[in-house]
Amino acid sequence: DQQVKQNSPSLSVQEGRISILNCDYTNSMFDYFLWYKKYPAEGPTFLISISSIKDKNEDGRFTVFLNKSAKHLSLHIVPSQPGDSAVYFCAASPLNNDMRFGAGTRLTVKP
Amino acid sequence: EADIYQTPRYLVIGTGKKITLECSQTMGHDKMYWYQQDPGMELHLIHYSYGVNSTEKGDLSSESTVSRIRTEHFPLTLESARPSHTSQYLCASSGPGAYRGYTFGSGTRLTVV
Repeated sequence: DQQVKQNSPSLSVQEGRISILNCDYTNSMFDYFLWYKKYPAEGPTFLISISSIKDKNEDGRFTVFLNKSAKHLSLHIVPSQPGDSAVYFCAASPLNNDMRFGAGTRLTVKP
Repeated sequence: EADIYQTPRYLVIGTGKKITLECSQTMGHDKMYWYQQDPGMELHLIHYSYGVNSTEKGDLSSESTVSRIRTEHFPLTLESARPSHTSQYLCASSGPGAYRGYTFGSGTRLTVV
């Protein structure tokens, strides 16, 4: 049972434009949502998170939006840079419990 | 500077060999995890531990075993490697509060020939 779904395996955008990565979840008990970034041959690194009491969290070029009624979250990167090219994993967890990860979206930012 | 260390980074080994993948963290985290990940696939939880002498199997059935004798150390062992074990293995740890997320190691890319 895949509780966290990233339906787009890949995304390609031009440098300077906005990248929007999407994630859907099924478990209404999830309280925290996170995005991780992963380069090849490295482990995922934490990027940004949002708790269920918020609908938006911003950190520099990265903004995460949460729509609880739709069980949907998205990561916006603006402006996109070539160094942002990586695989992005969406993750969710109930409070103080273990995390569930999506399958990842490979972002390619073209110069 | 990495706070969670995995060795080796890459390993090519023959079928039937016994291998141990090492994972150590210096953050004093009680919770530690092993994930298996193939390209284009989600991270599959194969083992986790909530503290010393506590280990549990994860969602994905795995022929590996783990131990947690010390807080900082969470090794994973394959008694008899098979080509189906070829994958990337990621170790992670977490502290109190889910909002902190997990800290991952750099992973071990295992190839069984």
